[in-house]
Amino acid sequence: AQSVTQLGSHVSVSEGALVLLRCNYSSSVPPYLFWYVQYPNQGLQLLLKYTSAATLVKGINGFEAEFKKSETSFHLTKPSAHMSDAAEYFCAVRTSQNDMRFGAGTRLTVKP
Amino acid sequence: NAGVTQTPKFQVLKTGQSMTLQCAQDMNHEYMSWYRQDPGMGLRLIHYSVGAGITDQGEVPNGYNVSRSTTEDFPLRLLSAAPSQTSVYFCASSYSVTDTQYFGPGTRLTVL
Repeated sequence: AQSVTQLGSHVSVSEGALVLLRCNYSSSVPPYLFWYVQYPNQGLQLLLKYTSAATLVKGINGFEAEFKKSETSFHLTKPSAHMSDAAEYFCAVRTSQNDMRFGAGTRLTVKP
Repeated sequence: NAGVTQTPKFQVLKTGQSMTLQCAQDMNHEYMSWYRQDPGMGLRLIHYSVGAGITDQGEVPNGYNVSRSTTEDFPLRLLSAAPSQTSVYFCASSYSVTDTQYFGPGTRLTVL
């Protein structure tokens, strides 16, 4: 069965610093990979997704992620954090219509 | 477009009671799904539907029923609520299983 591991349940960065949120997955078939963001008391919003085209995927709000098959990773980055980026971020993997797995989430705090 | 709507926003049940969580979308999406979100566990797929009249189980289907009589609506039924079903429930929809999923605002359910 596939699984998703997000390293670090809580990440804190200063405003303007690099954001790096880590995601590793296990899958026996080529996966679709996603990053979602959740603001307090809201549903999830898609940041970006990988669907076997370019390995570097650009998303909304300046975020991007790189698919590295050899490392089974799909880390999320943003060059310069903004206060509005404070939220919870979820990595997700889909390999079939009945198998969509989410990581446990990483809460990002941005310090002024 | 209203997107994905869910009702109610909050609900408190007693053990053994039944209820239906409502989900509707106005985007003509074929694929709809229900997730539950528990602290430290991310989201887990309960049931999904690939079109009207077609439903199937996800990762954690026990204790829940679904039906899809129309493209727009995908209600989730709790047959006999248990404290283990205390969670936040999210409905999502997309054009197809691999397309971007749009999430509703969630229903926070407490079972006493």
